[in-house]
Amino acid sequence: DVKVTQSSRYLVKRTGEKVFLECVQDMDHENMFWYRQDPGLGLRLIYFSYDVKMKEKGDIPEGYSVSREKKERFSLILESASTNQTSMYLCASSLGTGQGYTFGSGTRLTVV
Amino acid sequence: GENVEQHPSTLSVQEGDSAVIKCTYSDSASNYFPWYKQELGKGPQLIIDIRSNVGEKKDQRIAVTLNKTAKHFSLHITETQPEDSAVYFCAASITNTGNQFYFGTGTSLTVIP
Repeated sequence: DVKVTQSSRYLVKRTGEKVFLECVQDMDHENMFWYRQDPGLGLRLIYFSYDVKMKEKGDIPEGYSVSREKKERFSLILESASTNQTSMYLCASSLGTGQGYTFGSGTRLTVV
Repeated sequence: GENVEQHPSTLSVQEGDSAVIKCTYSDSASNYFPWYKQELGKGPQLIIDIRSNVGEKKDQRIAVTLNKTAKHFSLHITETQPEDSAVYFCAASITNTGNQFYFGTGTSLTVIP
């Protein structure tokens, strides 16, 4: 089974801090994604990557950046955390186009 | 971009009854439609998917139907069990332009024993 591992289940950070959310997958998947999940809004795409060093903006990239230096690792960076970034963050990977995603368990981030 | 709407937002059924969740999509180019189940404290898990060249797909108690003309697709769960209680998400994707999924807002299903 493909495993997508997110480094933290819960994080509490202060406003203005730089925050790193890490995601690692172990099945050589090309595609990786970061979503945030908020009640009533479903899952919204922040950034995605189809290859190492490649990144594309999703629907809500403002306030975020990403890094993909190695194929298996995709990091989400909150440059200066704000309270409106309090959310559940989900990382996913997939083998390719037309293939389902495998999600990690999520990181619940609280910004105070 | 693609817009996916999902209804209802909450659904309660008695154990053994059927549950139906409906989604509509806006872009007729969408051609891949996965469904995800998210249990409390876990990430979403793929439970079934359907491609646009197929009208219906079944996997034991779960089935998905697709109406391309009307641009809607539905998840059907028969003989519901308490372990079916979860949040369900539908999604749509245009596979010839990439691997982005557009998700519905989710349905919280409660199966009452």
